[in-house]
This record gives sequence, C-alpha cells and structure tokens, in this order.
Amino acid sequence: DQQVKQNSPSLSVQEGRISILNCDYTNSMFDYFLWYKKYPAEGPTFLISISSIKDKNEDGRFTVFLNKSAKHLSLHIVPSQPGDSAVYFCAASAMRAGGTSYGKLTFGQGTILTVHP
Amino acid sequence: DTEVTQTPKHLVMGMTNKKSLKCEQHMGHRAMYWYKQKAKKPPELMFVYSYEKLSINESVPSRFSPECPNSSLLNLHLHALQPEDSALYLCASSQGTVLAESSYEQYFGPGTRLTVT
Repeated sequence: DQQVKQNSPSLSVQEGRISILNCDYTNSMFDYFLWYKKYPAEGPTFLISISSIKDKNEDGRFTVFLNKSAKHLSLHIVPSQPGDSAVYFCAASAMRAGGTSYGKLTFGQGTILTVHP
Repeated sequence: DTEVTQTPKHLVMGMTNKKSLKCEQHMGHRAMYWYKQKAKKPPELMFVYSYEKLSINESVPSRFSPECPNSSLLNLHLHALQPEDSALYLCASSQGTVLAESSYEQYFGPGTRLTVT
C-alpha cells in the first residue's frame, strides 16, 4: 500500500516557465512533508519542507503548497532552469504521532523533471 | 557544512564475502539512517540510530548488520549477501536533538553502489 504517491512519472517544461510537481498521501497521521531532488549517481538533496500547520512555504524559486483536506501537496519551481532537471521525491513523516526527534520518511515514487533550454 | 560522506563509492562483492560500508557526518547530528534504493524506486528505510542507539530496524535480514561507533560514524556490515541485495545504499543524518520541524530534515550522502555477484 503506497502511502505517498507521485502519479506523474515524468514532466517536461520549457526553461523560464513554471514546473508543478504533485504528491498525494493517504495516511492522515502525516504532518510534515519534504521535497528532495536527486541527480543520477548522487544522494537525494533536501529542497524544502512544510508542516501541516501551514499551507504554503517559500524558499527562493521553490514554493510548496499543502492542501490537508485533499491530502495533496505540490512543489512549484519558478522560473524553471535546465539545472533543475532531476528526479524529485516527495516524502512524509508523522512527527507528532511518532513523538521522537528523528523521523521515519516515507517517499513517493519520484517524478523525473526535464527542463528544456 | 551539510555534507555526509560515504565510502566506498562502488563495491563489488561475492556472496561469501564480508565487507563494510562507512558513513560520516560532522554536522553534530544525533540521528543517522541507512536506506536502500533500487533502480527507479524511492529510498527504503533500513535502520535508524538515535544518540548512537539503534531505534528502528525495518525488519532487515541479519546479513545486514549496522553499527554506530560514535556520533559521527555509521557503518553497515555486510555478510553472505544475495544478488538481489545489489542496490544503492544511502546514509543520511538529521539533527535529532529536539522535537522540532528541523529535526526531520534528513541530509543524504552520495551513496555506495553495491553489486553482489
């Protein structure tokens, strides 16, 4: 049972345009969400996160939106650059339910983003 | 400095060999993790160490044996592996000191590409 789903295996965008990556989750205990970027032969790189008490978090070109009622989050990249081409993973953790200061992350399947010059 | 280092980068071993993977971080993080990632799949959690004690074992076979010699180091000892254990092994660390959002941001190393022949 996949608790975190990224239904689009791939996304292709023109340089300068907006990239929107989507993620859905089923476990209502999840209360902290993260996005990671991964290049081939490298480990995932942390990008941005959001707590369930917020609906938006912004960091430079990256904005994450959370819709708790729909159990949906999205990552917006504006403007997209060719260097953004990578696999993007959504991850979720049940922070308050776990009651510990470390988290077990559940990852989605990933979306391959290609930004064309 | 948000660097997690892993050695070796690549490892080829036979099914009767014994080898070890090493991970190091100098961010003062108190939680460290081992993940396994197969091609075109998301990372899967194997073990979590918190304050040098094993906190989570995700029902990993005993042929994988983790060790945390000190707060900066994490090892994964391998023995009698199977060809299906071939994968990218990722180490990660997180703050793990307080129950706060930032504690859940995990920083990954580049991984060790393991091939079992």
